[in-house]
Formats: sequence, C-alpha cells, structure tokens
Amino acid sequence: NAGVTQTPKFQVLKTGQSMTLQCAQDMNHEYMSWYRQDPGMGLRLIHYSVGAGITDQGEVPNGYNVSRSTTEDFPLRLLSAAPSQTSVYFCASSYGEDNEQFFGPGTRLTVL
Amino acid sequence: AQSVSQHNHHVILSEAASLELGCNYSYGGTVNLFWYVQYPGQHLQLLLKYFSGDPLVKGIKGFEAEFIKSKFSFNLRKPSVQWSDTAEYFCAVKTSGGSYIPTFGRGTSLIVHP
Repeated sequence: NAGVTQTPKFQVLKTGQSMTLQCAQDMNHEYMSWYRQDPGMGLRLIHYSVGAGITDQGEVPNGYNVSRSTTEDFPLRLLSAAPSQTSVYFCASSYGEDNEQFFGPGTRLTVL
Repeated sequence: AQSVSQHNHHVILSEAASLELGCNYSYGGTVNLFWYVQYPGQHLQLLLKYFSGDPLVKGIKGFEAEFIKSKFSFNLRKPSVQWSDTAEYFCAVKTSGGSYIPTFGRGTSLIVHP
C-alpha cells in the first residue's frame, strides 16, 4: 500500500492564483482531513470528510474548498491564493473516527 | 470545543537525559489520546495512543505516556533520550461522540544534543 500520497511536494504561487492540492489514500479509509502547519501554531484543521459526498469545515476553512467524490481522493482547492496561505499542508486519513490518523508527506506552499 | 495544551514549546536536552512533555486537555468526557512525532523533513507518525484500559501506555522507540484522568493529562516520557529523538511532538485528543477529527496541540520542539 502507498498509504496517503500528496502532490505536489512544493509549490510557489502568485497572489490571486488558484490551485488544487491533491490527496489520495489506498487504505479504504472513511475519514480524511486537511491540516495546515505553521510555526508555533501546530496543526490546524481546514476541512474534513467522513465519507464520499460528505465534507465539513474545520478550524480555518476560509479561502479553501474541498470535495469528496470518491473514498480515495480528497483534493483541497485554493480559489485565490493569498500570502497568509503560505504554509505546509498535510492530508490525513483514518479508518474510523476513533482510530489513529495516517498522514501524507505534506505540500510546502509559498504564496508570493 | 475541547482544547489541547502543550506547555513546553521548545525543549533542549543532552543525550541520556530523561524527557517528560506535558499535554493537558479541556474535555471532561471520554477521550482517545494520541502522541504523534514529526522527524525533521518528514510527515507525522503515531508514537502511541490510549483508548481505554491501563493508563500507562507504551509506544515505539521506548516512549511511554500516562493518562491521568483527574488531571486531564497525558504526558509523554522517555527515560533516556537519543540524538535521533530530535523532532517535533504533538499531542492530540479525540472526544468520543464529539468531533469526528482529533484536536492537536501546538507541538513541542525537542532538540537532543549528542
């Protein structure tokens, strides 16, 4: 199993550009989530999904959209990038709501 | 909403020193507790977890944590750290019947000098 995969690993955007961060898992996990990691702030939840077709907002959802059309994929869209979105983004999945999360390798995003 | 506090933001130790990282949470009900570790340049991975039973939990690489319900704490310990333990450590709490996703603390950066 590949586990949780994320692409790209690095990305530089200009303010106002849009892009999609990809996340996929091959463990048939129901739960998937997106976090951003900033120095001194730890991990903050952006959006999460408890199954295909079901998504909900986390702590810091503004400026991001998600969709979950399949169990495997959970892309994160930045509609109009801002410098405040410069961060490292992690995708995670888990089998059930009480189980451990498996994390992807992260995407380092810089918005100029 | 529950909150998770990690009181030590930066810890610097010499090899062979003992380690204790604090984690406190605010929820009074049933909880699932986790410690994750992030080695430099890598993604987070599970160190140990507590769901129920023996409050002293043993994880990988010689780490252990003790759940003290009365203190709302889940502190991480290791008797003798190694240079390879240099990493960032995150405590996470999941409330049963509450939010679907765990809440993470802000993390503790551990540097171990050889």
